[in-house]
Amino acid sequence: QSALTQEVSVSGTVGQKVILSCSGSGTNVANYAVGWYQKTSQGAPKTVMYGSQLPSGIPDRFSGSKSGTTASLTISGLQPDDEAIYYCSTWDSRLKAKVFGGGTKVTVL
Amino acid sequence: EVQLVESGGGLVKPGGSLEVSCIASGFTFETYSLNWVRQVAGKGLEWVASISSSGRAIYYSDSLKGRFIVSRDNAKKSVSLQMNSLRAEDTAVYYCARDLCSGGNCPIDYWGQGTLVTVSS
Repeated sequence: QSALTQEVSVSGTVGQKVILSCSGSGTNVANYAVGWYQKTSQGAPKTVMYGSQLPSGIPDRFSGSKSGTTASLTISGLQPDDEAIYYCSTWDSRLKAKVFGGGTKVTVL
Repeated sequence: EVQLVESGGGLVKPGGSLEVSCIASGFTFETYSLNWVRQVAGKGLEWVASISSSGRAIYYSDSLKGRFIVSRDNAKKSVSLQMNSLRAEDTAVYYCARDLCSGGNCPIDYWGQGTLVTVSS
């Protein structure tokens, strides 16, 4: 069982806003920056957000936020290219380990 | 441009050993912590190990139970993962990934392309 909990799947139409959540605890999400990673069936993971910072080259329709023990990734204006599995990850001070969520599959209808 | 290039993957028999490596370029290697993350086919991303910028702090996934060893050579800008007592369930693509910081307790910002390790008789 993952230390971080994510929705199994989220879907939306082109142009719609979708919000992915990443629920953790006081030993991880609450106290450390959360990274969000996009993974398609082919290719390496790509970092789309760390904390609330957008990596270079990532469209600004992606945004990140956090409230307490839950982090969120918002995709405003969903595009076909956004169809992928998104994983959240952060450091856990109790486990002394990086932890990943189980991933959320985003489907563009 | 930040680049991480893995090598060393391949086919190994159960119980065997294999070392995968990652060569970095495009950044000041000795100021960032590095990770190994793996993905079994059809499964999610799984963190394997992290090593701090100096190499003095090393963290492992409990699930590995001491079978894997991570090391780095800052002079050669490389990080390695020595995998021992390999099992079929270790079959995965292994990714080298750079942290945003030096100590390991921060998000990953760059990923390599991965190297496939297959454990099979």
